[in-house]
Amino acid sequence: DVKVTQSSRYLVKRTGEKVFLECVQDMDHENMFWYRQDPGLGLRLIYFSYDVKMKEKGDIPEGYSVSREKKERFSLILESASTNQTSMYLCASKQGGGDTEAFFGQGTRLTVV
Amino acid sequence: AQSVSQHNHHVILSEAASLELGCNYSYGGTVNLFWYVQYPGQHLQLLLKYFSGDPLVKGIKGFEAEFIKSKFSFNLRKPSVQWSDTAEYFCAPTGSSNTGKLIFGQGTTLQVKP
Repeated sequence: DVKVTQSSRYLVKRTGEKVFLECVQDMDHENMFWYRQDPGLGLRLIYFSYDVKMKEKGDIPEGYSVSREKKERFSLILESASTNQTSMYLCASKQGGGDTEAFFGQGTRLTVV
Repeated sequence: AQSVSQHNHHVILSEAASLELGCNYSYGGTVNLFWYVQYPGQHLQLLLKYFSGDPLVKGIKGFEAEFIKSKFSFNLRKPSVQWSDTAEYFCAPTGSSNTGKLIFGQGTTLQVKP
């Protein structure tokens, strides 16, 4: 069974803290993605990676960075958390190619206070 | 630039009613089309997909979608909804590139009343 695992289901952090969200996939997928999900706004792409050490900005990269040192792991970093980054964060992975299905983690509900 | 628009943001239906959720996309080149579903408390999962052949595709749980190339649309349909179809639905067009980004529509929340 395919699996995308996000390290935390719920996180509460203080404004200004550096926050790491981890995602691991066990399917040897080339592509990995980070989204935030907010009511009425759907899924917005923050960053994606198509290979180890490769990254591309999505539609809302400001305030975020990413790291992909190993193929199976894709980390999202909030350099200095702010209250407007309170959201649900979803990680996804997929094989290369446009006709392949994406697999999602359960999500991390981040609250910044 | 690629984009996708879902017209209905919140739909409320009674059980046994028919469903159609609109999805229009803008994409240069060959496009593959997906619908994903997120049931309450669960992770997103694939509902159905189209990349070639018969433009009417069938997915899980009685859902189907029709690709109309001239209208840049990929609408999701179900003849008779059930309470268990209550979920959020996302349309996602992708290109054929191995390194392309994956974007989603704004999502449609479907609430089915028993």
